[in-house]
Amino acid sequence: GQNIDQPTEMTATEGAIVQINCTYQTSGFNGLFWYQQHAGEAPTFLSYNVLDGLEEKGRFSSFLSRSKGYSYLLLKELQMKDSASYLCAVRDRNYGQNFVFGPGTRLSVLP
Amino acid sequence: EAQVTQNPRYLITVTGKKLTVTCSQNMNHEYMSWYRQDPGLGLRQIYYSMNVEVTDKGDVPEGYKVSRKEKRNFPLILESPSPNQTSLYFCASSSVLREKTGELFFGEGSRLTVL
Repeated sequence: GQNIDQPTEMTATEGAIVQINCTYQTSGFNGLFWYQQHAGEAPTFLSYNVLDGLEEKGRFSSFLSRSKGYSYLLLKELQMKDSASYLCAVRDRNYGQNFVFGPGTRLSVLP
Repeated sequence: EAQVTQNPRYLITVTGKKLTVTCSQNMNHEYMSWYRQDPGLGLRQIYYSMNVEVTDKGDVPEGYKVSRKEKRNFPLILESPSPNQTSLYFCASSSVLREKTGELFFGEGSRLTVL
């Protein structure tokens, strides 16, 4: 079956670093994506990993270990505007371009 | 500007009254998909389309229909809406070309309430 797990909620302080974990078990794998979603808005693309290792984009980094079915999103120098839900999604090779989404992690950044 | 456009953004309707939520993208994407998002359940796929005239069921297709007559449009049809279809709906599209990352581009969402 398809299963993606993330913590439901996290809280961190402005200026700090936070790591959001994602574990997955899917029938196929063709990339792992992270999206940011502010309340009431559409998800927006943050990062993509298809090979093992770390991908860095400014304050955001994402890591993937395919053998462990594990990824994390690292947010540095947290800002208030980073308060949002973060969605982990796996693209399933067995179904072409299909994505399986995790439940999302709601991050609250406190002053 | 590259975008996915959904309409209506907000709709309150009554049980059994047919409705259509339109979705259009201007990025020439092959792949389009509909999701519903409910508290605690995350994004669940309703239907998807790999290209014109090619559609298939996602995880929660019951009570919905779609069509893909043109590449840019992918309407979601609720023939006889019921209260359990009250939700936030997102249309999304992406490229399937090998050289592209293939991330999903989402519309702004359509909040539907069925009384």
